[in-house]
Amino acid sequence: EAQVTQNPRYLITVTGKKLTVTCSQNMNHEYMSWYRQDPGLGLRQIYYSMNVEVTDKGDVPEGYKVSRKEKRNFPLILESPSPNQTSLYFCASSPKQKRYNSPLHFGNGTRLTVT
Amino acid sequence: DAKTTQPTSMDCAEGRAANLPCNHSTISGNEYVYWYRQIHSQGPQYIIHGLKNNETNEMASLIITEDRKSSTLILPHATLRDTAVYYCIVTANSKLTFGKGITLSVRP
Repeated sequence: EAQVTQNPRYLITVTGKKLTVTCSQNMNHEYMSWYRQDPGLGLRQIYYSMNVEVTDKGDVPEGYKVSRKEKRNFPLILESPSPNQTSLYFCASSPKQKRYNSPLHFGNGTRLTVT
Repeated sequence: DAKTTQPTSMDCAEGRAANLPCNHSTISGNEYVYWYRQIHSQGPQYIIHGLKNNETNEMASLIITEDRKSSTLILPHATLRDTAVYYCIVTANSKLTFGKGITLSVRP
């Protein structure tokens, strides 16, 4: 089944403890992206990647890192999490974006709580 | 700046058509209109998209006005499982900017 898989689904951690949220897709998609969703603010893009070894900042990249060493995986790294990063996170992927008509496939989300 | 405006909420009866409007008066010639929906904090789900022609797939129909300043998503026979937040998005690149969407409630 074609899907985007995020892990973990739920995570509670403490301020400053490094964590990684994994994202993997099995559709051979070039484009991958991370969003966070907060009440009243909607979904906001954190980082995106057009292809392997190509990443770029979205709207709210501060406090996050990503890497794209292989096509299927796009982990989100919080080096020193803070409470304002408590949020619902979504990973998404799509085929090449050049023609702007490639819909995004989203994972089921990771709910992160930083205390 | 919001590129699209949608009503906050609407409801419809199960089995009836749900017509969800969206205004995008500043849309550019190379921007597509996309619709996604999100059911209770699940990942957003792609529904349909179009440029200027009307589109139909197994989930819905998309009607875009001739001047492209507005569009309507039509769910032909709404079910209770269609209760969700529906997002209308216009974009000419890989970036989707999600607004607040419209909450559709399907009543029995």
